[in-house]
Amino acid sequence: KQEVTQIPAALSVPEGENLVLNCSFTDSAIYNLQWFRQDPGKGLTSLLLIQSSQREQTSGRLNASLDKSSGRSTLYIAASQPGDSATYLCAVKGGATNKLIFGTGTLLAVQP
Amino acid sequence: KAGVTQTPRYLIKTRGQQVTLSCSPISGHRSVSWYQQTPGQGLQFLFEYFSETQRNKGNFPGRFSGRQFSNSRSEMNVSTLELGDSALYLCASSHGTGGTTNEKLFFGSGTQLSVL
Repeated sequence: KQEVTQIPAALSVPEGENLVLNCSFTDSAIYNLQWFRQDPGKGLTSLLLIQSSQREQTSGRLNASLDKSSGRSTLYIAASQPGDSATYLCAVKGGATNKLIFGTGTLLAVQP
Repeated sequence: KAGVTQTPRYLIKTRGQQVTLSCSPISGHRSVSWYQQTPGQGLQFLFEYFSETQRNKGNFPGRFSGRQFSNSRSEMNVSTLELGDSALYLCASSHGTGGTTNEKLFFGSGTQLSVL
């Protein structure tokens, strides 16, 4: 059974700092991994999707990497801004069930 | 282009009642999936529909059901509500053409259901 864990559960950083969020999964037979952000009381916004054959994806100040063999992904946020404050979730899709399994989330606070 | 629309935004029900939630996907999207989000269990997959057919379902009791209409709009129903059904219910859509394995999902803002 696929399990997805995110570390840390919460993170507070000063504005301008570069930071890394971690995601680990137990079953490496995945089709893809997605990173989402969720603002309080709102739905999810897809940030990056990495297919199983890819190693990383970049969008603006965001860079996500995927190491399938070790069951790990990282989301790198450069030059953080207060507007980046949100909960960040990773999710993997794959295996026999082809269901999207979400991680536990990292609550990020960027202090001005 | 309008996003994914979920109605109602908030809902209060009592135990034993039933509830129907609605989701209108982005125009042109044919795949709709539903998720339950609670503080204790996080985000969990409920079911996925494509062209009016249920393509996948999560590990929820039979009280949870859904359907998709010919215009791709989807509804989910929960019968005999329990206190533990209180949650944010999220709907997501994607194109669905050629399969949904590597498609980005677009989420609605959700329906916050409170069961008293």
